[in-house]
Amino acid sequence: GNSVTQMEGPVTLSEEAFLTINCTYTATGYPSLFWYVQYPGEGLQLLLKATKADDKGSNKGFEATYRKETTSFHLEKGSVQVSDSAVYFCALSGSNDMRFGAGTRLTVKP
Amino acid sequence: NAGVTQTPKFQVLKTGQSMTLQCAQDMNHNSMYWYRQDPGMGLRLIYYSASEGTTDKGEVPNGYNVSRLNKREFSLRLESAAPSQTSVYFCASSEGRGRTYEQYFGPGTRLTVT
Repeated sequence: GNSVTQMEGPVTLSEEAFLTINCTYTATGYPSLFWYVQYPGEGLQLLLKATKADDKGSNKGFEATYRKETTSFHLEKGSVQVSDSAVYFCALSGSNDMRFGAGTRLTVKP
Repeated sequence: NAGVTQTPKFQVLKTGQSMTLQCAQDMNHNSMYWYRQDPGMGLRLIYYSASEGTTDKGEVPNGYNVSRLNKREFSLRLESAAPSQTSVYFCASSEGRGRTYEQYFGPGTRLTVT
């Protein structure tokens, strides 16, 4: 079945550092890929998505490219801020269900 | 628009008690979902409703029941709570089911079963 594996956290960075959170997937067919963000005490919010191979999703300075050849959808940001501290979830949506990774907690220190 | 709302925000139950978690959405979405979130396990689907009048089991349905009351509302019932059901529960909705539809989440209900 479909599954998502993302890098374990927690990840701690200094403000303005470069961020990469790795995400790889296993799927049949042609899934869509998503990154969701969860701030403390809140539900998940969509950060970005890509619906086909080589698509790049971007939002709020975050980017991720749908790489079919490496089955990956890594999240990147060039310069993180304290306000980016949250838990990030990679997710895959096939024809019938959405599967989530375990989540990666990011803490950004001033 | 309020989006997806859930009640209550917090609940403590004793083993064997029952309760219903309420969820409503005001986006005119067809599909609704219930997930549980446990540390290190991401979100796991309990039940979903693809459209009004239909419900189906997800990955972890045991110990739960659901009702799609109308297009807006989707409730989750625990008939006899167990400590293993201690978790954070999220309701979500989407315009439809299929690979391109993103899901919108409520703020969650933190449930503790003692």
